[in-house]
Amino acid sequence: DVKVTQSSRYLVKRTGEKVFLECVQDMDHENMFWYRQDPGLGLRLIYFSYDVKMKEKGDIPEGYSVSREKKERFSLILESASTNQTSMYLCASSNRPQHFGDGTRLSIL
Amino acid sequence: AQKVTQAQTEISVVEKEDVTLDCVYETRDTTYYLFWYKQPPSGELVFLIRRNSFDEQNEISGRYSWNFQKSTSSFNFTITASQVVDSAVYFCALTLLWGNTDKLIFGTGTRLQVFP
Repeated sequence: DVKVTQSSRYLVKRTGEKVFLECVQDMDHENMFWYRQDPGLGLRLIYFSYDVKMKEKGDIPEGYSVSREKKERFSLILESASTNQTSMYLCASSNRPQHFGDGTRLSIL
Repeated sequence: AQKVTQAQTEISVVEKEDVTLDCVYETRDTTYYLFWYKQPPSGELVFLIRRNSFDEQNEISGRYSWNFQKSTSSFNFTITASQVVDSAVYFCALTLLWGNTDKLIFGTGTRLQVFP
């Protein structure tokens, strides 16, 4: 079975902090994704990566950056956290289908 | 434009009832994939099924079945004899082939509540 592990289920941070969300997959997939999920807006793609050090913007990249230094790890970075980034964040790894981690509920106070 | 529509926002049924979740998609691609995912209250997204655009066979897996019809651009999901554990939000998704990878277009989800 594919295993996608997100570093935290729940996280509370303060406005202005730099926040790191980590995601690790164990299936040697080339493609990895970060989404955020908000009530009424569904899942929206923030960034994705199709190879080490390669990244592409998704639909809502503003305020975020990503890092993929190793194939198994894909990190989402909130450069300066703001309250409107309070959300559920989901990481996925893909060999079609995409397999998701358990999600991180991030609260920015 | 690529789009997935799940018109049913919320459905409530009593245990043992059958329930169908509707999914309508739009795409200009001739090759594409469709998916269903389940999101229980715990939050994780669980993959249920993948169907490619060349395979219109219906699929049955236990109490779950899927009806894919290209003529109506629909990929509906039926749960037979529903159970309380089926309570979740269900998402239909379409793959957009984007460069070196796939991009999923999700519907807004249907929340299913199964009451005992």
